[in-house]
Formats: sequence, structure tokens, C-alpha cells
Amino acid sequence: GAVVSQHPSRVICKSGTSVKIECRSLDFQATTMFWYRQFPKQSLMLMATSNEGSKATYEQGVEKDKFLINHASLTLSTLTVTSAHPEDSSFYICSADSKAYNEQFFGPGTRLTVL
Amino acid sequence: AQSVTQLDSQVPVFEEAPVELRCNYSSSVSVYLFWYVQYPNQGLQLLLKYLSGSTLVKGINGFEAEFNKSQTSFHLRKPSVHISDTAEYFCAVNLPFTGGGNKLTFGTGTQLKVEL
Repeated sequence: GAVVSQHPSRVICKSGTSVKIECRSLDFQATTMFWYRQFPKQSLMLMATSNEGSKATYEQGVEKDKFLINHASLTLSTLTVTSAHPEDSSFYICSADSKAYNEQFFGPGTRLTVL
Repeated sequence: AQSVTQLDSQVPVFEEAPVELRCNYSSSVSVYLFWYVQYPNQGLQLLLKYLSGSTLVKGINGFEAEFNKSQTSFHLRKPSVHISDTAEYFCAVNLPFTGGGNKLTFGTGTQLKVEL
């Protein structure tokens, strides 16, 4: 199967700062990537769909100005949490859509802690 | 709209016993079905998927699932579990969307706890 990486795996930041999380498809090109948020002991909640070369599509209730998504190439999507606050602390997971395999491949996740 | 229901939030089972994790879905169109496993503080790993063809799907780690269209179910089974199977399991269905991609809807997850 294909491999998706995320960086960093863990980040701690102060309230009010911005944090960027990278998601890379290492051995395939992904025109579509997805960003999820997962609270403890809960399921994955889709935040947005990231399309290469165009604006991301956000799910209802997700603030697009707070969670900036950029998909500048076929192998890289970034999620920037702007002016982070403690309530933004969560586990963020990305995935890359593979049309060849008809499935999404998931990154290992990023644990964000905002102090 | 499509949805996925995992009725069991927790399933305790003794090692070497069989287990079934239930998943039901609703959709007005044909879907693809997936089971993922998640270990603590990790991403999701695909166990198996149903796209078409045989309704009995075999996956990794000895897991299998059966697609039942009439009952709109996709239950996950393993005949003999191991301690290392302790994890969170998610059922998901996809919905093709404009642009040719696939958008997943997840169930709420089932915590499988294998005990000695």
C-alpha cells in the first residue's frame, strides 16, 4: 500500500501562536487529501477536503479562517491552525485519496497541545 | 445522506475467543465499505475493504468481513483474537463526490479489549 507521512508527530505551542502541520504522500500523487480531527475516545471528524491547485472545501462548522489548508502540489497538503487556543488541542489526521486503490491512505497523526 | 452505525462502543473478549464487531450502514447509492484499526496515538490502518465481487472479504491479521446488502451490514469477524488485537476499530463507507474522489463517513468506533 501507499505511504502517507505527517510532520510533526507532536507539537506543543502557546495560546495565540500558529502551527503548521504537513501531510505528504510519499509514493503516489494525490489530487485530493483530507484533514480530520479526533477527540479522545471519539471517531474521526472530517474537517475539510483539500484539492490540489484549488481552494479547500470545509465541512459545516469548521472555521476556514482558523484552519488554513494549502495543497500546493500533488504530494503535499498543509494545515495551519491560526491563533491556536487550548480548545484546538486535538489529534489531527490527514489522508490521501488514491484513485488507483479506491481508498484513502492515512497519516500517523499529529498531536497538538495548546497551552 | 449516508451514515454508519457501530452499535457496540466496547467489546470485551477473552484471548483465543472469536469476536464479531457490528457495522450497519445506510445509503441510497452503492458504496464501498472499509474497516480500519487504530492503535493508541496512531493513525488508521486498513484491515479490509469491500468494493465489489465476493461478499466475503478477507483482510490482514486474520480478520474478515461479510457484506450483506439486504441487511445493509458489514460485520467484522475474527475466529480467535490475540492480546495484540486490542485497539479501536472503525467501520467506514465512502461516497463518491464531484471530482472523482472518495469521501469517507466513519462510524463511532468499537473498542476491542482482549483479556487473558
